Amino acid sequence: NAGVTQTPKFQVLKTGQSMTLQCAQDMNHEYMSWYRQDPGMGLRLIHYSVGAGITDQGEVPNGYNVSRSTTEDFPLRLLSAAPSQTSVYFCASSNYPTGWGGDYGYTFGSGTRLTVV
Amino acid sequence: QKEVEQDPGPLSVPEGAIVSLNCTYSNSAFQYFMWYRQYSRKGPELLMYTYSSGNKEDGRFTAQVDKSSKYISLFIRDSQPSDSATYLCAMSGGVDSNYQLIWGAGTKLIIKP
Repeated sequence: NAGVTQTPKFQVLKTGQSMTLQCAQDMNHEYMSWYRQDPGMGLRLIHYSVGAGITDQGEVPNGYNVSRSTTEDFPLRLLSAAPSQTSVYFCASSNYPTGWGGDYGYTFGSGTRLTVV
Repeated sequence: QKEVEQDPGPLSVPEGAIVSLNCTYSNSAFQYFMWYRQYSRKGPELLMYTYSSGNKEDGRFTAQVDKSSKYISLFIRDSQPSDSATYLCAMSGGVDSNYQLIWGAGTKLIIKP
């Protein structure tokens, strides 16, 4: 099925460990983004990309890195995990380069639930 | 103070009732307004969007924007148990804010059969 695929679905990390959250879309969308969702906080933008080779920071980028070598993939790297990074992470894509979504909106993956102990 | 305020609920109503969900915001530059629905353990999905002020209707759903009051609403008519989900509002100032979305925290809606 076409859409956004996130792996893994669940992950437990120890403080200081690093890992990469994977995101892939098969809709040829130019715009991709990473959000974290915490109770009472809404979705907060971590990083986004308007096309292959172009990335930029969002509202809460500290502790995370991204790269975009292909249109399809947009991995999120946690450099040194901290308990404050315990959250649900969502990857989203859109066919509008500027990302506002319009009629189509963002297509979200099912999320990665990360716990840092 | 958050830029977008949304009552987290939960809001519990009987099947068939009219539901009203609301968000208030403080940034007068917002001009794109969206409602997303999020089922448990799933990602959000776009439900409605409006540009600037006014109403938009799609089946049982109506979105309203009142820019003078900085207030947006989502109405659900003839609510069904399948409407039980968390509803997120999102808004953007468009090109001036690089089209980045600002999200409400979401309202959990429960429709009782």
